[in-house]
Amino acid sequence: EVQLVESGGGLVQPGGSLRLSCVASGFPFSSYSMNWVRQAPGKGLEWLSYISSSSSSRYYADSVRGRFTISRDNAKNSLYLQMDSLRDEDTAVYYCAKEGSASYLHHWGQGTLVTVSS
Amino acid sequence: DIVMTQSPDSLAVSLGERATINCKSSQSVLYSSNNKDYLAWYQQKPGQPPKLLIYWASTRESGVPDRFSGSGSGTDFTLTISSLQAEDVAVYYCQQYYSTLYTFGQGTKLEIK
Repeated sequence: EVQLVESGGGLVQPGGSLRLSCVASGFPFSSYSMNWVRQAPGKGLEWLSYISSSSSSRYYADSVRGRFTISRDNAKNSLYLQMDSLRDEDTAVYYCAKEGSASYLHHWGQGTLVTVSS
Repeated sequence: DIVMTQSPDSLAVSLGERATINCKSSQSVLYSSNNKDYLAWYQQKPGQPPKLLIYWASTRESGVPDRFSGSGSGTDFTLTISSLQAEDVAVYYCQQYYSTLYTFGQGTKLEIK
């Protein structure tokens, strides 16, 4: 069974940093591309970032490019999101998502809440 | 970026009746080399993460009831629930994966009338 477990969320002040983690199990992690998606309270889904299986390709939404960095450690079956220069509008539940055989988002974690507030 | 626009924003349908949700992309998501539409549908129930329902615009994910179907091509797509059940109350999202920058529709909230 595929499992994705996010952690690292919490309360952070504007301008601060946070690092999210997503630990994967139940599938060959090193063979799949991964993504981060967020959902602000009461709002819709916003795709944030993609990383290929080998980390050779990384893409970002305009809203986070230059502030967020996606990475992975295939030896640890882990995906990361380094979030810097956080803003109030970054408050959201952050999900990691595994791609399927193509680029649809096949499996999702339960999410971790990030609150940016002074 | 490819903009995905869903309609309606909300929908109330009686149990057993058909529900139809539309999704329009600002440019075609049909990849000519393989004739596949890079369009997926997700269901999100309150307090839960999204769940993949449909990919390649019309391929039902394993385990998804056959009352859910996807159709359309190019820029116009539809998710149809043929006979609404109480457990189908959720927000539904379309998403394009044609571009390297994925985008979602704004979501359609489906309720029971």
